[in-house]
Amino acid sequence: EAGVVQSPRYKIIEKKQPVAFWCNPISGHNTLYWYRQNLGQGPELLIRYENEEAVDDSQLPKDRFSAERLKGVDSTLKIQPAELGDSAVYLCASSIDANYGYTFGSGTRLTVV
Amino acid sequence: RKEVEQDPGPFNVPEGATVAFNCTYSNSASQSFFWYRQDCRKEPKLLMSVYSSGNEDGRFTAQLNRASQYISLLIRDSKLSDSATYLCVVRGYQKVTFGTGTKLQVIP
Repeated sequence: EAGVVQSPRYKIIEKKQPVAFWCNPISGHNTLYWYRQNLGQGPELLIRYENEEAVDDSQLPKDRFSAERLKGVDSTLKIQPAELGDSAVYLCASSIDANYGYTFGSGTRLTVV
Repeated sequence: RKEVEQDPGPFNVPEGATVAFNCTYSNSASQSFFWYRQDCRKEPKLLMSVYSSGNEDGRFTAQLNRASQYISLLIRDSKLSDSATYLCVVRGYQKVTFGTGTKLQVIP
């Protein structure tokens, strides 16, 4: 079974530029999460999807961050414009539903310079 | 008080030792609990769920104490390969919170 696939693995951009991350969850997993992890910290939830519906986006900085999950499968997370403080690892995870532990992708390490 | 708190460590233990970590949570209505393992520069991976009755998987034992609002992870006969950061995860209604992790270093 393929795991959660994320791309790109690494991204370096200049501040004020846009950036997008892509996630393909495990087949059949209805719940998809985007997390951000800073060095030495635990992952922090940005947004949670149940199928194509964003059911928790309370921690998503909506002035610059957006996400979508068309057709309830793949998802993209976008930052526009990026700021220096956005440098972090962006992790996508999926689960059968919210009651189960979930599987993470390998993450996208973003560096904003 | 943080929603989920862990001692960041590091815990430096010799091979073969037994080591235990605790994780406290503030929301008494929390519903489910997990331990994840994260290696350096890697994604977190589910280690085990924590059940009310406690559960064991080989050298790993997880327990839940609802009265005192903490979960624990016990590792027996530590191996060098156990060196990692261990994250506790607490799920409440519509919300999942990660701890900041406890770093374990097993020394030869």
